[in-house]
Amino acid sequence: QQQVKQSPQSLIVQKGGISIINCAYENTAFDYFPWYQQFPGKGPALLIAIRPDVSEKKEGRFTISFNKSAKQFSLHIMDSQPGDSATYFCAAIGGSNYKLTFGKGTLLTVNP
Amino acid sequence: DADVTQTPRNRITKTGKRIMLECSQTKGHDRMYWYRQDPGLGLRLIYYSFDVKDINKGEISDGYSVSRQAQAKFSLSLESAIPNQTALYFCATSDNRASSKNIQYFGAGTRLSVL
Repeated sequence: QQQVKQSPQSLIVQKGGISIINCAYENTAFDYFPWYQQFPGKGPALLIAIRPDVSEKKEGRFTISFNKSAKQFSLHIMDSQPGDSATYFCAAIGGSNYKLTFGKGTLLTVNP
Repeated sequence: DADVTQTPRNRITKTGKRIMLECSQTKGHDRMYWYRQDPGLGLRLIYYSFDVKDINKGEISDGYSVSRQAQAKFSLSLESAIPNQTALYFCATSDNRASSKNIQYFGAGTRLSVL
């Protein structure tokens, strides 16, 4: 049972464009939603995170939008740059469950 | 220096061999985790530990074992490696304080190939 579904699996965007990655979850006990960024040869690193009582969180060019009723959240990368090319994972944490439940990842390529 | 250090970074071994992957951390975290990453499958939890001598199975523990003899160290062993254990392995740590939200911090990974 996949508790966090992520789409698309891969995404190609031109420099300056907007990259959008979507995630949906099933477990209503989840109460924290981080996004991780992974460059080739590196481990995943925390990028940005949101609580479900907030509908949007912005850090620089990165924004998380959260829709609690739909159990969906998304990452928007504004003015995408070639240096943003990486794999992005959404994740969910919640309740008494220690686990960080990951989506399967999105490989983002930003063309110059 | 990296907060979460994995050794070795790359390893090639043969089917049937025993192999150990090491993880050490300087973050002072109590919780440590081992994941494997395969293309298209994301990150899957193998084992986790909330304290020294505390060991818990994750989603895919068969064929693996772990040891947590010290707070800062968590090792993963493949008792008899098989080719489908070829993958990228990550160690992660997290703080047990509720305020930390169990955010995990990852090492740089070990690329393992089993021939």
